[in-house]
Amino acid sequence: QLLESGGDFVQPGGSLRLSCVGSGFSFSNYAMGWVRQAPNKGLEWVSIISSSGDAIFYPDSVQGRFIVSRDNSKSTLYLQMSGLRVEDTALYYCAKDPLDKVGARAYFDHWGQGTLVTVSS
Amino acid sequence: VVLTQSPGTLSLSPGTRAVLSCRASQIISTNYLAWYQQKPGQPPRLLMYTTSTRAAGVPDRFSGSGSGRDFTLTITRLEPEDFGVYYCQLYRSSPPTYNFGQGTKLEIK
Repeated sequence: QLLESGGDFVQPGGSLRLSCVGSGFSFSNYAMGWVRQAPNKGLEWVSIISSSGDAIFYPDSVQGRFIVSRDNSKSTLYLQMSGLRVEDTALYYCAKDPLDKVGARAYFDHWGQGTLVTVSS
Repeated sequence: VVLTQSPGTLSLSPGTRAVLSCRASQIISTNYLAWYQQKPGQPPRLLMYTTSTRAAGVPDRFSGSGSGRDFTLTITRLEPEDFGVYYCQLYRSSPPTYNFGQGTKLEIK
């Protein structure tokens, strides 16, 4: 199970930290990602982090503004978001990769229910 | 790499066959093409990976195929519960990126 939290209403330029707690599996053995979905829109990949945290990647749309990290001792994935924009408004999903390394499988086999981030003035 | 899914919406009757297309703007590896199903108010559910491998619990009515730039998800003998939006997703390694198609909405009449 993946349980996200931390979504909130924030003004443009603000910051927010999302969390995702994994349970029922060996969290430290798997790469993890964030995927977002704007209201009534499609899916957009936001970040990926390897099981050990030594490989991290972002799309250009969030590079330099978002930072993904993980604490395997707490089975928790984080997404620190800063410089938030109206276009960052979305439901943010935490998702599990089936293997430990980025790109070894490169899809998401389990997803959380999401946490909603709203950026507006 | 851009993924273009077609059609945008598909409206079919139970028992018929659905064919969903996903076209990439460049040739991609079959190892890195996946499909998801999403129902309203729910997160996406993995259906298919490495183009043609069904995820755990996915009925054999679902099948995936394709190579190069063109990939297909076929659903035979449609059931009422097959409604939803279907997304294809690819992975590129240089640099690592995950791209999703814009989705195909499947409606069951």
